[in-house]
Amino acid sequence: DSGVTQTPKHLITATGQRVTLRCSPRSGDLSVYWYQQSLDQGLQFLIQYYNGEERAKGNILERFSAQQFPDLHSELNLSSLELGDSALYFCASSGGAGNQPQHFGDGTRLSIL
Amino acid sequence: GQQVMQIPQYQHVQEGEDFTTYCNSSTTLSNIQWYKQRPGGHPVFLIQLVKSGEVKKQKRLTFQFGEAKKNSSLHITATQTTDVGTYFCQGAQKLVFGQGTRLTINP
Repeated sequence: DSGVTQTPKHLITATGQRVTLRCSPRSGDLSVYWYQQSLDQGLQFLIQYYNGEERAKGNILERFSAQQFPDLHSELNLSSLELGDSALYFCASSGGAGNQPQHFGDGTRLSIL
Repeated sequence: GQQVMQIPQYQHVQEGEDFTTYCNSSTTLSNIQWYKQRPGGHPVFLIQLVKSGEVKKQKRLTFQFGEAKKNSSLHITATQTTDVGTYFCQGAQKLVFGQGTRLTINP
């Protein structure tokens, strides 16, 4: 158990819809990272938050947004969903702002029909 | 931007054989991290390498960081079925992951 909690585990929705994925980091961790993993693909870094502020941005689409709340949990919002957005979305956390080992949650599997 | 290339993409071995995956960056890395993802699981942190030429061992796993801090390798000696999974390297600065090497093993 990594200590990182992601909900929901599975999400099925239709094109054009909007969903919110939630992540609670390990106790004491200030950084939260979001990654997208498509079938048999690598991990695409989307965005990082550190102590409530955006820290780094990767290949995140404009249709996607995220935030980190004062209690340090984070949400990833995906809107105007397309079939290609179907993927496993991982959240990870680490203690500091960067260059530290990351601890991953079990992921949210998003299926777009 | 920073690119991290990992080879091979797939590797199938007989149980007991050795396995090596290589990670190459287009830029110098401050450090590199390795992760393992079992089938159906999430990535799990294995190790972080920071120093030029650093070598670290974890039982049958040997990790190396190149002198120029642009490449790294993970070597597994005498693979076991529990080693099955995808091994990823990650360059720290841009949080870029390599594409991973998927290891499958014939028991």
